[in-house]
Amino acid sequence: QQPVQSPQAVILREGEDAVINCSSSKALYSVHWYRQKHGEAPVFLMILLKGGEQKGHDKISASFNEKKQQSSLYLTASQLSYSGTYFCGTEQTGANNLFFGTGTRLTVIP
Amino acid sequence: EPEVTQTPSHQVTQMGQEVILRCVPISNHLYFYWYRQILGQKVEFLVSFYNNEISEKSEIFDDQFSVERPDGSNFTLKIRSTKLEDSAMYFCASSARLASGGYTFGSGTRLTVV
Repeated sequence: QQPVQSPQAVILREGEDAVINCSSSKALYSVHWYRQKHGEAPVFLMILLKGGEQKGHDKISASFNEKKQQSSLYLTASQLSYSGTYFCGTEQTGANNLFFGTGTRLTVIP
Repeated sequence: EPEVTQTPSHQVTQMGQEVILRCVPISNHLYFYWYRQILGQKVEFLVSFYNNEISEKSEIFDDQFSVERPDGSNFTLKIRSTKLEDSAMYFCASSARLASGGYTFGSGTRLTVV
């Protein structure tokens, strides 16, 4: 039930863009995105509820393709503060749990 | 901003001992969760709790684990007889709505079983 993320790790220079993908083998009701900095708790970024939905959060946005059971997180003009591990979390219809993906470690360097 | 509070922040226990991890969810949240994260690895679902009962649990959440909401504010995770492999960071989370609300995580309890 665990979604799969890609890539596992990415290194960016400040100002560069990145895309993180999340895919599930199960039909999904929603997809969450979280960022976790080293030694800290995951922090909620956004939730996508509908197929084809896109959301934006400053320079971080995401899309959800319900039919393909996939979501992508877009980070544009990356800043040093974007560094951390990004997790997608997936919920199935009627479920009261969130299964986290394998994580993508993002490092932004000057 | 409201936050989820977890205590203790660190717990060291001997193998076979019982531990209780405590959480105070955000006051108007109705859905509560425990997750664990072994160092550097994925965040694993343990259990969800709603309306004073378990909603769902994973295969990790065996008979050694239990959860309680002993009063209107606390939410606890008990591990009856700890094993070395229980060493992990344990996160409590809460959510205001089912399936449409983000989870707010506590800062975690680092459990070390020796």
